[in-house]
Amino acid sequence: DAKTTQPNSMESNEEEPVHLPCNHSTISGTDYIHWYRQLPSQGPEYVIHGLTSNVNNRMASLAIAEDRKSSTLILHRATLRDAAVYYCILSSGSARQLTFGSGTQLTVLP
Amino acid sequence: DTGVSQNPRHKITKRGQNVTFRCDPISEHNRLYWYRQTLGQGPEFLTYFQNEAQLEKSRLLSDRFSAERPKGSFSTLEIQRTEQGDSAMYLCASSLVGKSHEQYFGPGTRLTVT
Repeated sequence: DAKTTQPNSMESNEEEPVHLPCNHSTISGTDYIHWYRQLPSQGPEYVIHGLTSNVNNRMASLAIAEDRKSSTLILHRATLRDAAVYYCILSSGSARQLTFGSGTQLTVLP
Repeated sequence: DTGVSQNPRHKITKRGQNVTFRCDPISEHNRLYWYRQTLGQGPEFLTYFQNEAQLEKSRLLSDRFSAERPKGSFSTLEIQRTEQGDSAMYLCASSLVGKSHEQYFGPGTRLTVT
């Protein structure tokens, strides 16, 4: 699977939007972009995924660049419970296995 | 709660002993995955099942590791002759075949090999 690059850490203030970037310049045409997050002492949790178009769900929005070489996970209003490691993952259409990188540690400040 | 469950949650064993972990997926999910996570790293894929068939294994899965899913429901992961390097969190996830982008993870089993 192609590699992703994320900042090691980011901070946000509570109740403000958060934009988590991910670069994936070697993405192939069949790679889906996934975001998972992992809260302390828990297993990872699915957040959102997309292929080409921007996606919205109840948890977040995914903005995908036109050339697909980067994407941004948007949390519209961060809460303290959103403090977690956020992983940007590329996977083929079958999505049988997820290759996690190091992720971005998001800290939400009250 | 009908999420993925894993037992035991913690296991401490001595080097050289065998250990077995169990994963109960979400009941209608036909895909089941095992991952391993060491401190400060993201999870690493080990293997996955579709129903009872083991379809893919990572090179990380040495011959001391064996996984089964005999009736296509729960799965077990056994590690024989444990080594200190096996100390990690072992995570199980499940999904539907047509929705395998959305994998639901259990809380994991923390293994400590002394």
